[in-house]
Amino acid sequence: AQSVAQPEDQVNVAEGNPLTVKCTYSVSGNPYLFWYVQYPNRGLQFLLKYITGDNLVKGSYGFEAEFNKSQTSFHLKKPSALVSDSALYFCAVHRYSTLTFGKGTMLLVSP
Amino acid sequence: GAVVSQHPSWVICKSGTSVKIECRSLDFQATTMFWYRQFPKQSLMLMATSNEGSKATYEQGVEKDKFLINHASLTLSTLTVTSAHPEDSSFYICSARIDGGAGNEQFFGPGTRLTVL
Repeated sequence: AQSVAQPEDQVNVAEGNPLTVKCTYSVSGNPYLFWYVQYPNRGLQFLLKYITGDNLVKGSYGFEAEFNKSQTSFHLKKPSALVSDSALYFCAVHRYSTLTFGKGTMLLVSP
Repeated sequence: GAVVSQHPSWVICKSGTSVKIECRSLDFQATTMFWYRQFPKQSLMLMATSNEGSKATYEQGVEKDKFLINHASLTLSTLTVTSAHPEDSSFYICSARIDGGAGNEQFFGPGTRLTVL
């Protein structure tokens, strides 16, 4: 069975600083990996995905993620955080027609 | 493009009543839609996979007689919570997958907040 781990419940970063939200996965075969963001009482918004090709994936709102097969990781990054980036972030892996989510990481960006 | 809507966005009902939640793909066809449930500060848990023209596939532990799913067309799936009880209070989110789309990406609705009194 596939699984996704987000080891941090919360990440705190000051505005303007780089941010990283960690994600590791476990799945047989080649994974499809996704990052979603959720604002309070809202559905999920797609940020980016890795299917194949370049390990560095660029997505919406200046976010990017690096696929590392040897470490089975897909960490979300942004060079300069904004207060408006504060939200709940979910990593997900797609395999066998099922999308499995991590437990989510709350990102708090302070002014 | 690829917009998914849900209606209602929130609903409050009395215990014992039934509530229907609609999920629509506005600008694409979706043979397959998904229903998730999210408790406060927790992840999304897949409840069932809704397939147009056939019965839904429920995840283990989800009562199919309580959570009725009807995928009536290629753009509409409904979730009916029957005989709702306070423990059914939750945030319900649907998603849809574009027919023929690459990467099996799912597009999510804005969610429906259900409160059962």
